Amino acid sequence: AQTVTQSQPEMSVQEAETVTLSCTYDTSENNYYLFWYKQPPSRQMILVIRQEAYKQQNATENRFSVNFQKAAKSFSLKISDSQLGDTAMYFCAFGSGSARQLTFGSGTQLTVLP
Amino acid sequence: DAGVTQSPTHLIKTRGQQVTLRCSPISGHKSVSWYQQVLGQGPQFIFQYYEKEERGRGNFPDRFSARQFPNYSSELNVNALLLGDSALYLCASSSLVAGGPVIYNEQFFGPGTRLTVL
Repeated sequence: AQTVTQSQPEMSVQEAETVTLSCTYDTSENNYYLFWYKQPPSRQMILVIRQEAYKQQNATENRFSVNFQKAAKSFSLKISDSQLGDTAMYFCAFGSGSARQLTFGSGTQLTVLP
Repeated sequence: DAGVTQSPTHLIKTRGQQVTLRCSPISGHKSVSWYQQVLGQGPQFIFQYYEKEERGRGNFPDRFSARQFPNYSSELNVNALLLGDSALYLCASSSLVAGGPVIYNEQFFGPGTRLTVL
């Protein structure tokens, strides 16, 4: 079974600064995907970024980038130029082709301060 | 295009009652998954249905059941409600996309149904 751990329940960052959210996971599988989802107060779970385990290059989506360390089973999210709209709960999630389900971490509440 | 829709938005039930939650996937998506999100925690997988067949089941009691209809919409049923069933129930739809060594299965989530059991 896979497990996903997010050790930072809450974080805050000043507007326009950079923040990094941590995530570690445990799996015996070799082929899998990792995701960061954002859940604002509206409750809608929104995909922020994904990383294919077979790719060595770290994924980037505009202000969002990841640091994927496969050997260390670490998958952190970096948000650059933080905006007030980035305030949300962020979930790290693991997905494997065999299971076809997502395993989520417990989340990190990010607050962007003006 | 409409996203994943869920109904109702909110629901209040008492212990022992039964509840049915509904989900309509994105047009063209044939897979629907259900997740339970207890306040302050990450979502937990309950079921996945694909082409009207159950393809995965999480660690939930038999009080939880689901089905998928020919139009790919889905219902989640919970019997004999307990206080601990109070949660946000999320539905996600996906369209299997082949790529790389593993089938990529991006899931698109609905806004959820907030169930409160008194």
